Amino acid sequence: DTEVTQTPKHLVMGMTNKKSLKCEQHMGHRAMYWYKQKAKKPPELMFVYSYEKLSINESVPSRFSPECPNSSLLNLHLHALQPEDSALYLCASSRPTGGERGYTFGSGTRLTVV
Amino acid sequence: AQSVSQHNHHVILSEAASLELGCNYSYGGTVNLFWYVQYPGQHLQLLLKYFSGDPLVKGIKGFEAEFIKSKFSFNLRKPSVQWSDTAEYFCAVTSGGYNKLIFGAGTRLAVHP
Repeated sequence: DTEVTQTPKHLVMGMTNKKSLKCEQHMGHRAMYWYKQKAKKPPELMFVYSYEKLSINESVPSRFSPECPNSSLLNLHLHALQPEDSALYLCASSRPTGGERGYTFGSGTRLTVV
Repeated sequence: AQSVSQHNHHVILSEAASLELGCNYSYGGTVNLFWYVQYPGQHLQLLLKYFSGDPLVKGIKGFEAEFIKSKFSFNLRKPSVQWSDTAEYFCAVTSGGYNKLIFGAGTRLAVHP
């Protein structure tokens, strides 16, 4: 299994809702990432987890809350989002030292905030 | 802070034409360099990567890239493009052992039959 699996594929949520995005990998990677990609833009790094600990937070608003419950799972908890948060949210994983074998990306969750 | 520049934002080619997409990075130390492709409606796929050794790197689907340290460049090439190469291409970089993958703005390639 050499995939990064993200669920759900699509999510529509209101500004007062609480929802979670999930990401799972079974490649033994000990670094996991959340990226945000707006239409026709490159992915922007949000968070990096290394050995299940948060190592990088790119000044992301607190309405986004990441969680890494174990080495295979990565969650992104969403609360009180704004319409401008609508985007494709990508999860990725790699070896912890920067990805000698590259970074593997999931297919993403397309989030729409209404 | 490291950054990545892709100079061609939109490229239009006919099938069988040769392709070269530019990528320059700003970090002066040890870098790891990547090219990713994103087909319409699909996820990012790794085309090729460079860490060390031979500066000419061959990837999937007939793509190759050349790392020129003196020019801080990692240009992507393909001798003969196909309609199926229509996609967005992203250059990306990490520096040293720091696992922070930063993307360039992307180049949208359209190949006409």
